[in-house]
Amino acid sequence: DSGVTQTPKHLITATGQRVTLRCSPRSGDLSVYWYQQSLDQGLQFLIQYYNGEERAKGNILERFSAQQFPDLHSELNLSSLELGDSALYFCASSVANSPLHFGNGTRLTVT
Amino acid sequence: GQQLNQSPQSMFIQEGEDVSMNCTSSSIFNTWLWYKQDPGEGPVLLIALYKAGELTSNGRLTAQFGITRKDSFLNISASIPSDVGIYFCAGLKGGNTPLVFGKGTRLSVIA
Repeated sequence: DSGVTQTPKHLITATGQRVTLRCSPRSGDLSVYWYQQSLDQGLQFLIQYYNGEERAKGNILERFSAQQFPDLHSELNLSSLELGDSALYFCASSVANSPLHFGNGTRLTVT
Repeated sequence: GQQLNQSPQSMFIQEGEDVSMNCTSSSIFNTWLWYKQDPGEGPVLLIALYKAGELTSNGRLTAQFGITRKDSFLNISASIPSDVGIYFCAGLKGGNTPLVFGKGTRLSVIA
């Protein structure tokens, strides 16, 4: 158990809808990262937050947004969903520049 | 976004055989990490490497940080069925740059 908790585990929704994915980092970790894993695409970095502030941004679509709350949990919001958004979404957390520890992901299926 | 070149893409080996996989990049990295992902779960950290030339073991796993800082390899000795999964290399340049992942090596072990 990595200590990183993601909910829900599975999400099925229709195109055009909006969903929110939630992540609780390991106790004491101030950094939260979001990654997208599509079939055969590896892990694509989306965005990083550190202690509530956005720290780095990757290939995150404008339809996607995230935030980190004062209690350090984070949410990833995906809107105007398209079929191609179907993927596994992982949250990871770390202390400073230490290795990332990943949650078990949310599998999003857009129909 | 930038990715690491990880090879091979997939491997089929007999139980008991040794395995070697590697990761290369045109850029220099300050940290190399190796993760394993089992089906339905998030990547789990196997080995972290912090210095050029560093050779680190974790049980039957051995990884090295290349002298040029542009590559790393992972060896698994005497493979067993539970070694099955996807192995990812990841590199960190430091500062606010995010962790970059290879596309993974899918390992299958035939008993």
